[in-house]
Amino acid sequence: ETGVTQSPTHLIKTRGQQVTLRCSSQSGHNTVSWYQQALGQGPQFIFQYYREEENGRGNFPPRFSGLQFPNYSSELNVNALELDDSALYLCASSIQGVLNTEAFFGQGTRLTVV
Amino acid sequence: GENVEQHPSTLSVQEGDSAVIKCTYSDSASNYFPWYKQELGKGPQLIIDIRSNVGEKKDQRIAVTLNKTAKHFSLHITETQPEDSAVYFCAASSGYSTLTFGKGTMLLVSP
Repeated sequence: ETGVTQSPTHLIKTRGQQVTLRCSSQSGHNTVSWYQQALGQGPQFIFQYYREEENGRGNFPPRFSGLQFPNYSSELNVNALELDDSALYLCASSIQGVLNTEAFFGQGTRLTVV
Repeated sequence: GENVEQHPSTLSVQEGDSAVIKCTYSDSASNYFPWYKQELGKGPQLIIDIRSNVGEKKDQRIAVTLNKTAKHFSLHITETQPEDSAVYFCAASSGYSTLTFGKGTMLLVSP
């Protein structure tokens, strides 16, 4: 078991609504990355947060946004939900400033948009 | 950007057999290659990784090889057990933990 925890574990939302997902990083880790995993696919990088700022972003629209807090925990916010946003959302914590450091994942939040 | 191809998409073996999963990557700047195991309803679990200055790494029944010239790397599992059944993902990174994943291989080990 990693020390990365995510909440909630499951969530059902209606198209057009907004959602906030939360992640607590592993002790000693200062960087959180968010990934979207559609059914039957590999995780896709959304963005990464370090020192409370976005530090890299994948090919996702601006309605996907995030925050990182002084204790290194993080939130992923998605506005104007679409049906295609239904997926498993994963966060991974790691140590910034160390090349090729391991990334450890939480158990994910299963988001269903109806 | 980086593109990672993974084969096969499904792999069925008998308990005790070996399993090999292969990945190729496109970005020559990639220098870190982890492998993750994902069980149903869980997040990916790091099982082994290799860095570009190493050609092979082994951890008990699991080994990974890297060919930088050909831009491919492979996961080898020996003496497979039913509990090895899961989806396995390869990934590549050029640094600082941003990972590009393959599409995954569903490994089924039959008793």
